[in-house]
Amino acid sequence: SQQGEEDPQALSIQEGENATMNCSYKTSINNLQWYRQNSGRGLVHLILIRSNEREKHSGRLRVTLDTSKKSSSLLITASRAADTASYFCANEEGFKTIFGAGTRLFVKA
Amino acid sequence: DTEVTQTPKHLVMGMTNKKSLKCEQHMGHRAMYWYKQKAKKPPELMFVYSYEKLSINESVPSRFSPECPNSSLLNLHLHALQPEDSALYLCASSLSGEWGGRETQYFGPGTRLLVL
Repeated sequence: SQQGEEDPQALSIQEGENATMNCSYKTSINNLQWYRQNSGRGLVHLILIRSNEREKHSGRLRVTLDTSKKSSSLLITASRAADTASYFCANEEGFKTIFGAGTRLFVKA
Repeated sequence: DTEVTQTPKHLVMGMTNKKSLKCEQHMGHRAMYWYKQKAKKPPELMFVYSYEKLSINESVPSRFSPECPNSSLLNLHLHALQPEDSALYLCASSLSGEWGGRETQYFGPGTRLLVL
C-alpha cells in the first residue's frame, strides 16, 4: 500500500506561473524526498529534506516539511514547459522507499 | 559515471516465453532495486539487493526471478508471465542499502514490457 498521498492528482498551469504540490505521509520519517518522472521514463531525484529541516531550496524548487502534520510541499517557481512531468514524494518505511501517488504537472507554453 | 542503464528499452513477450531484463550501474553502489510501475501509478518495490544479497522480496510471484551476479549488475528473469504483468520495470541503485529508504536512489530509464 502507498503511504504518501499527494494532491492535486493533476495540475495544469501556464508557463511562468508557480506550481505547488502537496504530500502527506503516515509514519514518522528521517527524511522525505521528491522525485520527478518524465513520461514513461525513470525517476530523477530532485531534493531531500531531513526531518529536522523545515524548508529547503534548490534552484527554482522549494520544499517545506511539517512533521507535526506529516506533510510536505514542493513549490516550483517560474515554471517552464520542460517542467511538465509527474512528481512523487517518497518516504521511508523501514528499509523500503514508499512513493506517493504523484502529481501530474502540465505546463502550457 | 552517474548513470543506471537498462536493457532492453521495450520487450514484447508471450505468456510461455522466458526473457530477462538487465540493469547495470558503475557508481560503486552496493544496493540495487527492481520496481514495477503501472500507468499513472507510483513505482512499487519488488526486490532489493544489498551487497549482492537479496534483502527484500515484496511477495513477488515466482514467475519473476531476480539475480545479482555482481555489485554492478542486476537481472530480472521472466517466465510464464501474465498480461497483467505488463508495465514499466524500473531499476535503481543507491549507496549501500544499509540506510534503507533514507538513501537517494538513482533510476534507470526502465524497460516497457508488454505480455501478450
